[in-house]
Amino acid sequence: QVQLVQSGAEVKKPGASVKVSCKASGYTLAYYAMHWVRQAPGQRLEWMGWINAGNGNTKYSHRFQGRVTITSDTSASTAYMELSSLRSEDTAIYYCARDLGDWGFDYWGQGTLVTVSS
Amino acid sequence: QSALTQPASVSGSPGQSITISCSGTSSDVGGYNYVSWYQQHPGKAPKLMIYDVSNRPSGVSNRFSGSKSGNTASLTISGLQAEDEADYYCSSYASSTVVFGGGTKLTVL
Repeated sequence: QVQLVQSGAEVKKPGASVKVSCKASGYTLAYYAMHWVRQAPGQRLEWMGWINAGNGNTKYSHRFQGRVTITSDTSASTAYMELSSLRSEDTAIYYCARDLGDWGFDYWGQGTLVTVSS
Repeated sequence: QSALTQPASVSGSPGQSITISCSGTSSDVGGYNYVSWYQQHPGKAPKLMIYDVSNRPSGVSNRFSGSKSGNTASLTISGLQAEDEADYYCSSYASSTVVFGGGTKLTVL
């Protein structure tokens, strides 16, 4: 069965970077796009970007352009999201989500809480 | 890219039907048939309920249905059940990006 398992919670200081991993199992990572979505406490879902895991092409939300980098390692069946220049407003749960092919996300990771605090 | 517009809350009694709207523009909802709906219970990851405006993934109850007219998409839940109480989010494709709605809290009275 398809599973996306994310890395554990992180606590970072303002200005630092964080890298979250998302290990896929039950399917071939390269055959599906992977998206990253975040949710600040009590707030709405916010799309961050996606990667074509087959060729490495990426597209990012303008809100995060220049701060976010999404990569994938097909040999490890793992996607990564790195966010730099962290500020307190980046405190959120970060999710990876598989694109079923029509821009709908059929499988989600369990989420990774990133807390930014001095 | 601005968030899609959803009502903050809706409510209904068990057995009733409710509809949640999702308003966008011709650059997102109105321009493509790539609208999805997600259900999110507290502390849980979102769950895909509808994709491509009106398609249900395997395992999702047929009490959930989706539609679209112009720049507005809608999610209808019929035969409301207590377990339907959750937050619901719409999303749309928008020129190689994705935009989510603000979310709607469904309360089953």
